[in-house]
Amino acid sequence: KAGVTQTPRYLIKTRGQQVTLSCSPISGHRSVSWYQQTPGQGLQFLFEYFSETQRNKGNFPGRFSGRQFSNSRSEMNVSTLELGDSALYLCASSLGASGVGEQFFGPGTRLTVL
Amino acid sequence: AQSVTQLGSHVSVSEGALVLLRCNYSSSVPPYLFWYVQYPNQGLQLLLKYTTGATLVKGINGFEAEFKKSETSFHLTKPSAHMSDAAEYFCAVSSGNTGNQFYFGTGTSLTVIP
Repeated sequence: KAGVTQTPRYLIKTRGQQVTLSCSPISGHRSVSWYQQTPGQGLQFLFEYFSETQRNKGNFPGRFSGRQFSNSRSEMNVSTLELGDSALYLCASSLGASGVGEQFFGPGTRLTVL
Repeated sequence: AQSVTQLGSHVSVSEGALVLLRCNYSSSVPPYLFWYVQYPNQGLQLLLKYTTGATLVKGINGFEAEFKKSETSFHLTKPSAHMSDAAEYFCAVSSGNTGNQFYFGTGTSLTVIP
């Protein structure tokens, strides 16, 4: 069974631009969660989608948004990029809703904002 | 509210020595507890988890952790460190309720000295 895939793996953008990251969960998994990982802050929860509905949202500004499609694939969008948005963005999928059972993580997308 | 504290952002041990990584949690409800490992340029991989039942949990690669409710701790141990154990380790908590999210600690970087 294929694991969680994230595209692209690396991305370089400049301030003010916007970016879209993609995550394909493990087949059959309906929950997708997104995390931002930085050296100083660790993993911070962005949001979780379950069956195309955003179920939970972390404490991030509205520039961060996401969506989930009917095939459970998810995208995350960041508008008006800031230098502080440089981070590793991790996607995780699970069978049920986040918090119940294991989350399976993708390799991440490393975003650099110049 | 839930949170996780990992004591020691960097831990060094000699090859063959005991590994002890500390994790304390705060949760208003019975928690689900997890330890994940992250190798360079990779996503997170589940080492072990505690949901209910036996408080001593055995995981992959010889790791184990003990849930101690009275101490609100979930420390990770391995009797004998191997060079391949060098990685970043994250403790996480969730309440296990539908729709809940994971809260991660800031991570502990383990160095194994030959």
